[in-house]
Amino acid sequence: DIQMTQSPSSLSASVGDRITITCRASQSIGNYLNWYQQKPGKAPKLLIYVASNLQNGVPSRFSGSGSGADFTLTISSLQPEDFTTYYCQQSYNTPWTFGQGTKVEIK
Amino acid sequence: QVQLQESGPGLVKPSETLSLTCTVSGGSISSYYWSWIRQPPEKGLEWIGYIYYSGSTNYNPSLKSRVTISVDTSKNQLSLKLSSVTAADTAVYYCAREYYYDIDGYSKFDYWGQGTLVIVAS
Repeated sequence: DIQMTQSPSSLSASVGDRITITCRASQSIGNYLNWYQQKPGKAPKLLIYVASNLQNGVPSRFSGSGSGADFTLTISSLQPEDFTTYYCQQSYNTPWTFGQGTKVEIK
Repeated sequence: QVQLQESGPGLVKPSETLSLTCTVSGGSISSYYWSWIRQPPEKGLEWIGYIYYSGSTNYNPSLKSRVTISVDTSKNQLSLKLSSVTAADTAVYYCAREYYYDIDGYSKFDYWGQGTLVIVAS
């Protein structure tokens, strides 16, 4: 299985901050990498697919980059609704696997 | 707008079989892959497996011996059966549509159900 490791596991930030979350795969996965946002008690929501493509309806403050084994999710200016948990997921090989999650908290 | 709704018992006894159904509305189940994904309380996401509308399946090897996913295109439903459950199978279970790009082989989970909590306890 391809292991996905996110860092940090949690971070504290303020409204308006720019933050970056990193996801590293245990092997090269090309750009077969998706990012999801999950709010408490809700299903994950797709933000970014194929490493850098913004899903329809997702605000442009979200962006993704990377290829191979190293990827990043950037939020350019944190909004109050962005304080929640984010997951990366590889779609290179089954079994599809997710990172352990990064929780973004209010400082 | 595609909507997915999971349904099934919220409590299952150890060693029994967990059975869930996902009903798809607002779109056809045809021409897509459909996955089951679970999330134990306060933990991360685990992909269980997918089924194509034609019936072909792919399961996570960690669960393969206990999992069966099926599809009923006439009802626009997919189902999950997980046998010989233990407390470790306690989780919120999600169904999700997997949008697959034929040419490049990329995929993404673009629609999700709200999830249903299944507790394994006697």
